[in-house]
Amino acid sequence: DADVTQTPRNRITKTGKRIMLECSQTKGHDRMYWYRQDPGLGLQLIYYSFDVKDINKGEISDGYSVSRQAQAKFSLSLESAIPNQTALYFCATSDGSRNEQFFGPGTRLTVL
Amino acid sequence: GIQVEQSPPDLILQEGANSTLRCNFSDSVNNLQWFHQNPWGQLINLFYIPSGTKQNGRLSATTVATERYSLLYISSSQTTDSGVYFCAVDTNTGGFKTIFGAGTRLFVKA
Repeated sequence: DADVTQTPRNRITKTGKRIMLECSQTKGHDRMYWYRQDPGLGLQLIYYSFDVKDINKGEISDGYSVSRQAQAKFSLSLESAIPNQTALYFCATSDGSRNEQFFGPGTRLTVL
Repeated sequence: GIQVEQSPPDLILQEGANSTLRCNFSDSVNNLQWFHQNPWGQLINLFYIPSGTKQNGRLSATTVATERYSLLYISSSQTTDSGVYFCAVDTNTGGFKTIFGAGTRLFVKA
């Protein structure tokens, strides 16, 4: 079984809709992250959480919000999706000592 | 903020050839990772290498933190090595950040 899972894997939605992407992990890591990847580019950090009560903005947090429901679950919401949020979204986890990040399979989001 | 630059941006190899990919970073970092993104989009951990040299089969990596660069060596390349190779660094300067380079896109021809 995969250590880091993301749902859904693919999603097509319309401008203005609210959408939630979910991430779960079985690695027992404290730290979780959400990234966005635009075509042909590297990943950019949206939000990160070092434990359940800790939420921090990354480079590109505008238009996004997150919720850390438990140590193993971290969700990303787009309150009102817009077309330039069309991208590949990745969740990642790491432990606090080494901070080696492990990624989920990604969610391909298309906003029409 | 910290800049991460990868070179070359694109690379085409004949199967069996060797290659070196480079990652330069502009400030001190806490750690550095290399990833391979396969054609299906999956990110695969290759190396966690804040300093020193590591080897894993046909791949090896060296990070010289004092000179702010890391190298990824691919020997005897195979078609399955195709994809995009990213380096990513963590820093606490000005708050925690993970910064990815733009990647090196590798195509290995049979």
